[in-house]
Amino acid sequence: AQSVTQLDSQVPVFEEAPVELRCNYSSSVSVYLFWYVQYPNQGLQLLLKYLSGSTLVKGINGFEAEFNKSQTSFHLRKPSVHISDTAEYFCAVTRRRALTFGSGTRLQVQP
Amino acid sequence: EAQVTQNPRYLITVTGKKLTVTCSQNMNHEYMSWYRQDPGLGLRQIYYSMNVEVTDKGDVPEGYKVSRKEKRNFPLILESPSPNQTSLYFCASSLSRTGGISNQPQHFGDGTRLSIL
Repeated sequence: AQSVTQLDSQVPVFEEAPVELRCNYSSSVSVYLFWYVQYPNQGLQLLLKYLSGSTLVKGINGFEAEFNKSQTSFHLRKPSVHISDTAEYFCAVTRRRALTFGSGTRLQVQP
Repeated sequence: EAQVTQNPRYLITVTGKKLTVTCSQNMNHEYMSWYRQDPGLGLRQIYYSMNVEVTDKGDVPEGYKVSRKEKRNFPLILESPSPNQTSLYFCASSLSRTGGISNQPQHFGDGTRLSIL
């Protein structure tokens, strides 16, 4: 079985500050990792994904994430956030037939 | 425009009154799935379908039914809704490669907010 842990339910940050949203997963086999973003009253959009290759992956809107196999982590980072980044962020792990989501992290960007 | 369309977007109903939430995708995706989103729990999978006439249970299937008679449609049926099914529901679809969906991003609808009184 696989599971995803997002350690922070809420992350408040000031505009133009850097941010890191943490994600850890547990799985006995190789997995593929995703970050999705959910803006208010909308569905989820793909932010970025790790399938293989370089452990640093870049996504949309200036976000990037680093896959760390030894620590089973896939933390999401952005060097300078904007007000428009206020949203809920979900880490997800997928295997053959299922996609397992973390509980989400609400990023609140303050002016 | 590629999209997943859910209807209705909002519904308030009463316990025991059968309802159906429709989901349609125009991307010719093999894989479709239903999730429910509850505060603090993230998204949990209800049912999924690898292709037409192939459906399987996710993590929280109790109280729900699905069907996949056509590739584009995947309706979610609540035969006898109860208040604990009050939630935000999302339909999603993706391509499926060699029987799996591992490396395919999922495309989500805008959600259906269901309130069961």
